[in-house]
Amino acid sequence: KAGVTQTPRYLIKTRGQQVTLSCSPISGHRSVSWYQQTPGQGLQFLFEYFSETQRNKGNFPGRFSGRQFSNSRSEMNVSTLELGDSALYLCASSPPGLAGGPDTQYFGPGTRLTVL
Amino acid sequence: AQSVAQPEDQVNVAEGNPLTVKCTYSVSGNPYLFWYVQYPNRGLQFLLKYITGDNLVKGSYGFEAEFNKSQTSFHLKKPSALVSDSALYFCAVSRYGQNFVFGPGTRLSVLP
Repeated sequence: KAGVTQTPRYLIKTRGQQVTLSCSPISGHRSVSWYQQTPGQGLQFLFEYFSETQRNKGNFPGRFSGRQFSNSRSEMNVSTLELGDSALYLCASSPPGLAGGPDTQYFGPGTRLTVL
Repeated sequence: AQSVAQPEDQVNVAEGNPLTVKCTYSVSGNPYLFWYVQYPNRGLQFLLKYITGDNLVKGSYGFEAEFNKSQTSFHLKKPSALVSDSALYFCAVSRYGQNFVFGPGTRLSVLP
């Protein structure tokens, strides 16, 4: 099976702009989670989507949003970019777990966003 | 709330020696525990997980981890380290219906 793919791999934006990142999960996986990784804060959970519905949400401002399509592909959007949004954004997909609980997350290579 | 601690920012070990990367967790109820590895400019790769059953879990690339409920620990181990094991290692905890929480990561350097 193909792994999780993320596009684009690299992005450079300026403050105030908005950006959309895309994630295609492993075939058959219906859960997609997004994370922000920075040297100072580590891996921080943004949100999780399952069957087109946001199931969990982390502590990020409303400028960060996401959605999931019927084919399980997901996008995340960041509006009004700030310098502090520079990070590696990782997407992970999961198969249905034991009794619907959490199962292994499989990560994509990430999108490196630089905000100037 | 769930939390994960990885008390060592950096672990150095000589090639061929055993390695241990430490992880302790805090979660109410039964934990689901995971180890991931990240190589430079790459996403995280799954190594192993503990859901239930045997406390010693074996995973990819010769790694294993031991779940210790009384000490709330889930240390990652390998009997003989390779230079290619040098990477950033993350421990994570989750439980039913909750999102993953990752530790801060431990950088492992295996010296030739």
